[in-house]
Amino acid sequence: QSALTQEASVSGTVGQKVTLSCSGNNNNIGTYTVAWYQQVSHGAPKTVMFGNSLPSGIPDRFSGSQSGTTASLTISGLQPEDEAHYYCSTWDYSLSEHGMTVFGGGTKLTVL
Amino acid sequence: EVHLVESGGGLVQPGGSLRLSCAASGFTFATSWMHWVRQRPGQGLEWVARISDDGVSTFYVDSVRGRFTISRDNANKIVYLHMITLRAAESAVSLCVGGGFWGQGALVTVSS
Repeated sequence: QSALTQEASVSGTVGQKVTLSCSGNNNNIGTYTVAWYQQVSHGAPKTVMFGNSLPSGIPDRFSGSQSGTTASLTISGLQPEDEAHYYCSTWDYSLSEHGMTVFGGGTKLTVL
Repeated sequence: EVHLVESGGGLVQPGGSLRLSCAASGFTFATSWMHWVRQRPGQGLEWVARISDDGVSTFYVDSVRGRFTISRDNANKIVYLHMITLRAAESAVSLCVGGGFWGQGALVTVSS
């Protein structure tokens, strides 16, 4: 059971806008910035968003937002190469005496 | 160009030990917190440990605390993960993460 909850799967067509969600609580998302990672075919993950900041080299069709205890990753103008697993992650100060990084279970994004 | 290259993975018997290394280049290693994350076959991402930029502070997921030790050598831009008393259920790809960048991972197989 992951500390952060993500949809198991989302699908969309080329050019469509899709939004992936990540739900937590005040001990994690409600307090800390959420990062999003893309993993294509179980290759090495790649950071695609930190809060609402786009890392260098990531297309600007990716955007992120965070409100309360929920974070979202939106892809505007879906492309075939966006098909991947997406994981959200942040810090949680309550699950362990010293705090810990937590991940969502991941969303499989399929481009139809 | 950023590179994070893990090494030291392999086959080890239950109860055995391994030391993973991660050689970093292309980003400001000395000011970056570094992490180890693992991914069991067919599963999602699990955070294992992190270390502060100066190496003074370390944090671990509860399941590995007391058995795993993260450390770093800022002069040579290397982060380590020393693992003892390994369990069969800990077979996974171990990934080095820092500065928002990810390595390709090192496969750790715990089996008799």
